[in-house]
Amino acid sequence: GAGVSQSPSNKVTEKGKDVELRCDPISGHTALYWYRQRLGQGLEFLIYFQGNSAPDKSGLPSDRFSAERTGESVSTLTIQRTQQEDSAVYLCASSLGGVNQPQHFGDGTRLSIL
Amino acid sequence: QKEVEQNSGPLSVPEGAIASLNCTYSDRGSQSFFWYRQYSGKSPELIMFIYSNGDKEDGRFTAQLNKASQYVSLLIRDSQPSDSATYLCAVNAGGTSYGKLTFGQGTILTVHP
Repeated sequence: GAGVSQSPSNKVTEKGKDVELRCDPISGHTALYWYRQRLGQGLEFLIYFQGNSAPDKSGLPSDRFSAERTGESVSTLTIQRTQQEDSAVYLCASSLGGVNQPQHFGDGTRLSIL
Repeated sequence: QKEVEQNSGPLSVPEGAIASLNCTYSDRGSQSFFWYRQYSGKSPELIMFIYSNGDKEDGRFTAQLNKASQYVSLLIRDSQPSDSATYLCAVNAGGTSYGKLTFGQGTILTVHP
């Protein structure tokens, strides 16, 4: 069956440009999560969507970061006015929702800011 | 600050041995615990999850949870070179942190032939 799909797989852009990353969750998964992983570091939580509830944005590092999700489908993570410290792998995960449900990750988008 | 701590390693074991990976967490109210394997340049892959105190076995993998001591461990029996990867411990604290996982920094495991 189809897993979590992310696009693009790689993105190289100049400092100051805006970027948009896409995540298509596993069909039927109501919860969707975005994480960031800098080189050699652990995963940092960014944002969490559960159904039609208000998203948990507590991990977004600045107001340059935003994310949207329409219903229980595709989500986009947008980074405005990119900075070099935004270079990282951005990972999307989905689950059936609930604290005990495991999260399944996509292959990630590797973002490089020149 | 809710934290998850792991030894960064590297942990090196010979092929066929038991690899023991440990993780401690700071939030006593944490509800669910996950182990992910991450190969270099790849995304995390779910290995095991556990919610209740005690042991949970799945093939060569055993997860152990002790909520009183706030630690969770992963044992890999009959380790193979293909098990060489970074192992990430992740904790869901529940409550106001309902949806998100807090990850440890990961333990690098090397299984040598």
